Amino acid sequence: QKEVEQNSGPLSVPEGAIASLNCTYSDRGSQSFFWYRQYSGKSPELIMSIYSNGDKEDGRFTAQLNKASQYVSLLIRDSQPSDSATYLCAVNPTGSGNTGKLIFGQGTTLQVKP
Amino acid sequence: EPEVTQTPSHQVTQMGQEVILRCVPISNHLYFYWYRQILGQKVEFLVSFYNNEISEKSEIFDDQFSVERPDGSNFTLKIRSTKLEDSAMYFCASTMGGGPNTEAFFGQGTRLTVV
Repeated sequence: QKEVEQNSGPLSVPEGAIASLNCTYSDRGSQSFFWYRQYSGKSPELIMSIYSNGDKEDGRFTAQLNKASQYVSLLIRDSQPSDSATYLCAVNPTGSGNTGKLIFGQGTTLQVKP
Repeated sequence: EPEVTQTPSHQVTQMGQEVILRCVPISNHLYFYWYRQILGQKVEFLVSFYNNEISEKSEIFDDQFSVERPDGSNFTLKIRSTKLEDSAMYFCASTMGGGPNTEAFFGQGTRLTVV
């Protein structure tokens, strides 16, 4: 069973701080990793994709990938109250052929306090 | 900005009834997906669809479910005889390509309530 694990939280950080969200995955052959943000009752919204080991930065967001440790993380700098949401880690597993199937973690709820 | 659109936003149906959920994927995308999310649970893959065929389906996607692309723009999910446990948010998604390294964009979802 291919799994994606996240701490459900809530993770509470003060406004302006760095929020660090973590994800581990069981399928060692996975190649593509995604972070989605989901507000309550809404659909997943793509924030970042990462495919290679190392860091990828986009504005206040940095995704980090370590395939040897099967670990993906998302850093949010200068956290704002509007960042309060559930952050979903998603992985494209091996054995999916040419489909873009995603396996999701259960999500980490982030609360940014003013 | 192109987006995936879903209708209806909310559907209430009686147990045993058939429902059809509709999606219009992003116009230049070739791969289409349905996911569901039961309240408080993970987003779960149901099915992927390419070139008018199912390319992969999960264990959840049993004989009660079917998908179709009836015309050049719509992509539908049909549940033949709904059960209480089918109550969930159903999300349609699309990607330009089908392999890894392809980003999926989700519609706003249809909340299905089976009573």
